[in-house]
Amino acid sequence: EVQLVESGGHLVQRGGSLTLSCAASGFTFRNFWMSWVRQAPGKGLEWVANINEDGSEKYFGDSVKGRFTISRDNAWDSLYLHMNSLRAEDTAVYYCGRVRGGYDVRDFWGQGTRVTVSS
Amino acid sequence: EIVLTQSPVTLSLSPGERATLSCRASQSVKRNLAWYQQKPGQAPRLLIYDASNRATGIPTRFSGSGSGTDFTLTISSLEPEDLAVYYCQNSKFFGPGTKVEIK
Repeated sequence: EVQLVESGGHLVQRGGSLTLSCAASGFTFRNFWMSWVRQAPGKGLEWVANINEDGSEKYFGDSVKGRFTISRDNAWDSLYLHMNSLRAEDTAVYYCGRVRGGYDVRDFWGQGTRVTVSS
Repeated sequence: EIVLTQSPVTLSLSPGERATLSCRASQSVKRNLAWYQQKPGQAPRLLIYDASNRATGIPTRFSGSGSGTDFTLTISSLEPEDLAVYYCQNSKFFGPGTKVEIK
């Protein structure tokens, strides 16, 4: 059974940093692109970042470019999102997702981890 | 940049009724469109990919159709547990969602 379990979200001050983790199990992690998607309170889904199978390709949404980075450790089946210079508008639930297909279908999602940036 | 527009914003129907949700893309995405269901307090779940293929474990009352710029998600006979927001997606873009309410 595919499982994705996020962790690391909590209350952080504006301008601070935070690293989110996503532990994967039930599939061959190193064979899949992975993605972070976030959802601000009461809002829709917003793509944050993607990373390819071996970590050599990384893509970011415009709202986080230059502040966030994505990484993975295939030996530990783990995905990370490193967030710097956090803003109030980064407050959201952050989901990791397994990616398949040429147009970034997320076929499995974690339960999410909540990040709150206080101003 | 692709813009995905969904209609209606909210759909209120009774159990057993047919629900028809629309997603329109600002340019052709061929059949590269997915639909997700997000129930209150839960993570999104993949329902449909490649416009019309049901994901594993998805009930047959959910079906997708369309190509190019116009797509439809149909719930043939609404169940109370179908209360959710439904999003369409292509690449890094998500639609704003349609909320399905049960009368």
